[in-house]
Parts: sequence; structure tokens; C-alpha cells
Amino acid sequence: EPEVTQTPSHQVTQMGQEVILRCVPISNHLYFYWYRQILGQKVEFLVSFYNNEISEKSEIFDDQFSVERPDGSNFTLKIRSTKLEDSAMYFCASSGTENYGYTFGSGTRLTVV
Amino acid sequence: GIQVEQSPPDLILQEGANSTLRCNFSDSVNNLQWFHQNPWGQLINLFYIPSGTKQNGRLSATTVATERYSLLYISSSQTTDSGVYFCAVEQWNDYKLSFGAGTTVTVRA
Repeated sequence: EPEVTQTPSHQVTQMGQEVILRCVPISNHLYFYWYRQILGQKVEFLVSFYNNEISEKSEIFDDQFSVERPDGSNFTLKIRSTKLEDSAMYFCASSGTENYGYTFGSGTRLTVV
Repeated sequence: GIQVEQSPPDLILQEGANSTLRCNFSDSVNNLQWFHQNPWGQLINLFYIPSGTKQNGRLSATTVATERYSLLYISSSQTTDSGVYFCAVEQWNDYKLSFGAGTTVTVRA
């Protein structure tokens, strides 16, 4: 079964540093997403990406965040100048035109110290 | 935006017991999925079920779209069923999933 792959699985960073979270969506999917889950809370939508541009973003997704699809396979989330409250599990997801729903990656656990 | 409410928030089961988890949503949807979040934090897709009934082993799910709810059934529960179960929905022309707060299931041996 096709998978969404995320790297790294864990990342610890110093406050104020920049981090890049990486994702390889399912190859024939066209829609890509980032979600965030703060420990013990619900999964929150950050941003959706289609046709090489952001199609929607939540109010969480401010100027600190950016997404990019640098080549035909990778999809990245960059967080500039990380804050303690950015500590969370970040999930990448993708979906296609067929109705099989969303497939989520295993997540990157980001800890800002 | 759409509201997704899950009940109960917590559920403690003895191994072998059956249970039902509920998801109510406030508007029409074209996608509904159930996920299991395991102790490592991974979101495991259980069902894509915008309507109808599906079964996968000891798990089954039913969505009644016209009444805006979905049910997840766990039969003969095992300790490995422990974790958080999330319901997530997508509205027509919205292109994102909205998650409920989850039901935390603890199965005791």
C-alpha cells in the first residue's frame, strides 16, 4: 500500500532556529497538506497545497511558516525562528482525485528547547 | 467551520469487551475517516466511510450521512486497541479534513 514518508521522525531544535520538515507524498496524489498536533490536543489543519501553490491556510500558518515543493517528489514545511509553542507533532498528508480519502505520514515530533 | 464532536471522551474497557464510539458533525460532508493514533503518535487510517457500513476484522464503522453521525464499533477488544480514535470530516468544496477531539480508549488485560 502506498505511503506518505516523513523525515525526520524526531527533531530537537534551539529556540530561534529554523527547521525544515520533509515529506514525500504518494506519487500520483495532487493535494498535499500539513497538520499539527500539540501534545494531548486535537489535530489541527495548517495548510493545503495544490498545483504548486497554497490553496488554503489556517490562522496558525502565519509568516513564520512556509511550504515548498522543490522537486517532483518532496513537500517541505519550513518554520523560521522557532518558538517553544511550536513544539508539536507535525503530520504531512496527501490525497488524490479518486475517493480514497487522505493518507497521513507517521509524523515528525518537533521539540523546541 | 464544521463542528465535529466525539463521544465519549474517554473509555476504559476490559479485554474482550465490545464498545461503540460516536462522531457527530454539524454539516453535510463528502468524506469521513476514522483514525487510530497509536502510542507512538502515528495516525493509522481505519476507515474511509462517507456513508454506509464497512468492516475490517474486529472493527466496523457506519455513517448515516443524512443524520450527520458515524459510529465506530470495536468488538472483542484487545490491549493493542488502546489509543486515541479520531473522526475527521471534509465538507464539499472545502479540501481539508477537520478533526474531532478524539476518544481515548484504554483496554485493560
